[in-house]
Amino acid sequence: DGGITQSPKYLFRKEGQNVTLSCEQNLNHDAMYWYRQDPGQGLRLIYYSQIVNDFQKGDIAEGYSVSREKKESFPLTVTSAQKNPTAFYLCASTATSVSGTEAFFGQGTRLTVV
Amino acid sequence: SQQGEEDPQALSIQEGENATMNCSYKTSINNLQWYRQNSGRGLVHLILIRSNEREKHSGRLRVTLDTSKKSSSLLITASRAADTASYFCATVPSGFGNEKLTFGTGTRLTIIP
Repeated sequence: DGGITQSPKYLFRKEGQNVTLSCEQNLNHDAMYWYRQDPGQGLRLIYYSQIVNDFQKGDIAEGYSVSREKKESFPLTVTSAQKNPTAFYLCASTATSVSGTEAFFGQGTRLTVV
Repeated sequence: SQQGEEDPQALSIQEGENATMNCSYKTSINNLQWYRQNSGRGLVHLILIRSNEREKHSGRLRVTLDTSKKSSSLLITASRAADTASYFCATVPSGFGNEKLTFGTGTRLTIIP
């Protein structure tokens, strides 16, 4: 089945540790995105990548890092510099067509700092 | 900063009634999209309207776009309990090659059976 897979679904991290969230897609999409969602809030863009080996900062990139070495994969690292990392993280990908851009989402990773 | 702001933040209606949500955005767009999110899950794409379109329908959904006011509305007709979810608008900025997809704050819709 084609889609986006995020892992793990739940993640616990101790303060001061880096942690990497996985996002893999087999939709052959060029663009991929990472969003953060806090309880009862909207989605805030962390990073996005429109092509392999290239990515751009979103609105809240501080304390996060990404890589895009393969088209299928866009991992997000939450570093110790992120002051309030507990949140729900969503990965998405898009395939631009003549009619527009529809995003497909993974099921999310819920990160809790303990 | 987020591109879109939805209004209202929360909406409760009786099953069978129509639900209307509004979205305002700040900059010129290529297209505007609406998504649905069930609690604790990923988002699902509902409908896309391009900047040169004014209205679009898909089943019980009707979307309008007013680029002069930088606003859009989503109408769900004959609501059902299963429509209970959060609804978000998202925009792609105008300009070739820019795929930055940004979301609004969302409307939490509750359908009362």
